[in-house]
This record gives sequence, structure tokens and C-alpha cells, in this order.
Amino acid sequence: EDKVVQSPLSLVVHEGDTVTLNCSYEVTNFRSLLWYKQEKKAPTFLFMLTSSGIEKKSGRLSSILDKKELFSILNITATQTGDSAIYLCAVVRAGGNTPLVFGKGTRLSVIA
Amino acid sequence: NAGVTQTPKFQVLKTGQSMTLQCAQDMNHEYMSWYRQDPGMGLRLIHYSVGAGITDQGEVPNGYNVSRSTTEDFPLRLLSAAPSQTSVYFCASSYRGEAFFGQGTRLTVV
Repeated sequence: EDKVVQSPLSLVVHEGDTVTLNCSYEVTNFRSLLWYKQEKKAPTFLFMLTSSGIEKKSGRLSSILDKKELFSILNITATQTGDSAIYLCAVVRAGGNTPLVFGKGTRLSVIA
Repeated sequence: NAGVTQTPKFQVLKTGQSMTLQCAQDMNHEYMSWYRQDPGMGLRLIHYSVGAGITDQGEVPNGYNVSRSTTEDFPLRLLSAAPSQTSVYFCASSYRGEAFFGQGTRLTVV
């Protein structure tokens, strides 16, 4: 059975801290891994990772994929209160149109 | 661009009532899906469709029906609402794996 496991499930940090969110997966026919940020409403897309070892970066957020060890990390440096959200990891399987497999998410709270 | 439009935003139903959650996308995506999100459970797939006329069950399909008569629309029907269906529902359309989500429907069944 395909599964995506995120850790930790919740995290509280102070502004300015650096955090690392983890996503491990066991999925047949892996194609790519996606990270989403969900604040009060719908998830919004952050990154799509397809190749191992290539870091994707957007401002203070970065992510990398390890296809050998079957995991990805999402780093957030110099956290701000606006980074408080649920971060979702999802895996896309190869073979055309197949459903995304989501992890349960990490709830990040950044306090001033 | 409207993207994915999902209605209503909020709904309260009595047990046994039926309703349809509407979802429309204007991006010409073949792939559409419905998820429910409950605290601590992440996004769980209810039903999905890979194109007009084709639907399939996801992880938690019981109590829900879908149809896909056009590429644009993918409604989700609750035939007889139960309190266990109290949740937040998201519709999504996808292209090359990346999902675009509607704004969600918060459904309460009393």
C-alpha cells in the first residue's frame, strides 16, 4: 500500500528559528514529490521535486529529494509568523493520471 | 483566471438530507478529484476522474457519488448525509501532477 509519512505532525518555533520538515514515502512507480502550504483555506503549491539531490529554492524556503532513501525535506530559514501553516507533502505516481498520495501534514506554528 | 471554483463555501445539513457540492475548472485539465480533510488525517481522496465520462473511487468513497459529464465540472453528491461526513471538502484539478485546489467547503451534518 502506498503511503506518505510526514514528521513531525506539529511543531512550535520562535520567529527567526530554522525548521526542517520531513516527508518519507513508499510509493510504487514514483514520479515526483510536491510540497504544499495550507493556511486557512486551500493548499497552495510550493515545490515539485523530480530528481534527487537538486535543491529547489524560493526565498527562505528550500526543498530537496533523496530518491534512494525515499524522503524529502522542506527547510524554512529565519521563520516568520506568516509561515504558520500546515505543510503538506504529496507524491505523484507515474503512469498517466493517478491520484496524488498525501501525507497527514505538519502543522507549524511560529510565535513572536 | 478563475481556476477551480467550488461552491458552497459553508453548508449545514440535517442527517439524511442530500446535497451536491459543485466544482468547476476553466484550465481544461483532464484530471479532477475530491478530497476531505479532517483534523490529524490530512487530505483523503474520495473520488477522482481522469476525464469526461470516467470516474473512480479513492480512499474513502462510501456515502459519496460523482459524475463527470464535461471536462469542466465534477460535482460531488451526498445522497444521505451522516454526521461522519462533517468535514472540509476540497476539489482539485491537476496537470502533470500539480494540483490546483478550490477554496473548500466546510460541511457540518447535524
